[in-house]
This record gives sequence, C-alpha cells and structure tokens, in this order.
Amino acid sequence: GAGVSQSPSNKVTEKGKDVELRCDPISGHTALYWYRQSLGQGLEFLIYFQGNSAPDKSGLPSDRFSAERTGGSVSTLTIQRTQQEDSAVYLCASSSRGRATQYFGPGTRLTVL
Amino acid sequence: ELKVEQNPLFLSMQEGKNYTIYCNYSTTSDRLYWYRQDPGKSLESLFVLLSNGAVKQEGRLMASLDTKARLSTLHITAAVHDLSATYFCAVDMWDSGGGADGLTFGKGTHLIIQP
Repeated sequence: GAGVSQSPSNKVTEKGKDVELRCDPISGHTALYWYRQSLGQGLEFLIYFQGNSAPDKSGLPSDRFSAERTGGSVSTLTIQRTQQEDSAVYLCASSSRGRATQYFGPGTRLTVL
Repeated sequence: ELKVEQNPLFLSMQEGKNYTIYCNYSTTSDRLYWYRQDPGKSLESLFVLLSNGAVKQEGRLMASLDTKARLSTLHITAAVHDLSATYFCAVDMWDSGGGADGLTFGKGTHLIIQP
C-alpha cells in the first residue's frame, strides 16, 4: 500500500517567513512522528502524536515550532519566523501504534535564505 | 538524557569482507531499531530487536541485541557494493522516562563498499 507522503519535497523561503510542512501517514496508523535531520545535529526527534493529541512537545526546538494533527490522519508542522538554523530535512514517520516500527516519509528539504 | 553512540562513523571496505557496526546506548531499553539511508533518500527500516539476545538476519546483514551490555551490533557478511549506505541505530525514548514515544538516533555509520 501507499507509504508515508510529505509535501512539499523542497521548500526555499526567506528568513522571517512562515512555512507549513505536511505529512500524510500510512492509512490506519495511529501514531505519527516528526523528526529533523541536519548535518550538524543528526536526526532529532521533534514531536509525536497518538491520534490527534501530542502528549509531549518538549522536543520542539523553540516556540516558533508548532504541530497539529486533525482527524487522526494528516499532520502539519508549522515554523514561524524562520531562521537560517531551521534549514534541514524534516522527516515524518508513522506507526500502527505506539512503540511499533516507524515508517518514514521522503522528507521535506527546507532551505532558509 | 538518552545517548546513542555508533562506531565507526565512517567505514570503507572492500567487497567480500566482513565487518561489524556497534551501537551503544545509555539507558535500559529492550527495543532497538536499525535503519538504512541511501543518499538523498529517506530511512528504510531494517530490523527491530525487541528483547535481550534477539538476533535477526536479512541477506548479508545480521543484527543482535544485548540489553545488559546496552549494545547492539550490525554485522555485514561478504559485503557487496549495493550495501553502501548510511546505517543508523535508534533506541525508543519511552524507556528513558520521557514519556515521548520517539526514537533517539545514533549519528549514523557511513559505509562505502568498494569493488
């Protein structure tokens, strides 16, 4: 079946602009995760959703980052007032339930000029 | 804070040789994952190890878990060029008490297999 999809695949923005990144999990997967991958920091966990709720938001790098999930499916990661250090690949993953194998999407490469 | 360390971080080897990648982690966990990433691509799940002594094999790759030593290994047998990629191990953060159901990754092992 279809895997995790993310859009856009690439996003170039100017410093100070807001961006929205979208993730469509595998159908039926209740758990959804956001990660960030950069050369300097490696792979970092940002936030996870069980259903529509996010029990722990402490992984988000700053209050400019927010995420939501509606209808237990699609999730949006929003970065406000982007900074150059936000440049990275943002990866979304989903799993059938909590603590099961996570399947990753292709990622969104964000470049902040 | 949960820490996951891989070594080596870079490995260049010849086809036909055997080698092992090591993954140490700092907290008790009975759940460890191995992923593969090709350049410009996303992460592909290879193995999930769920208990002490777990061993899984797929083709030329074999992964094992020793929860007492907090160590997992990924062994490559008779390497072939197609196995060139970056390999990550990851530990479930849940067991570190954070309550967040995410993964903490090692820095990855960049593996190049030369003909």
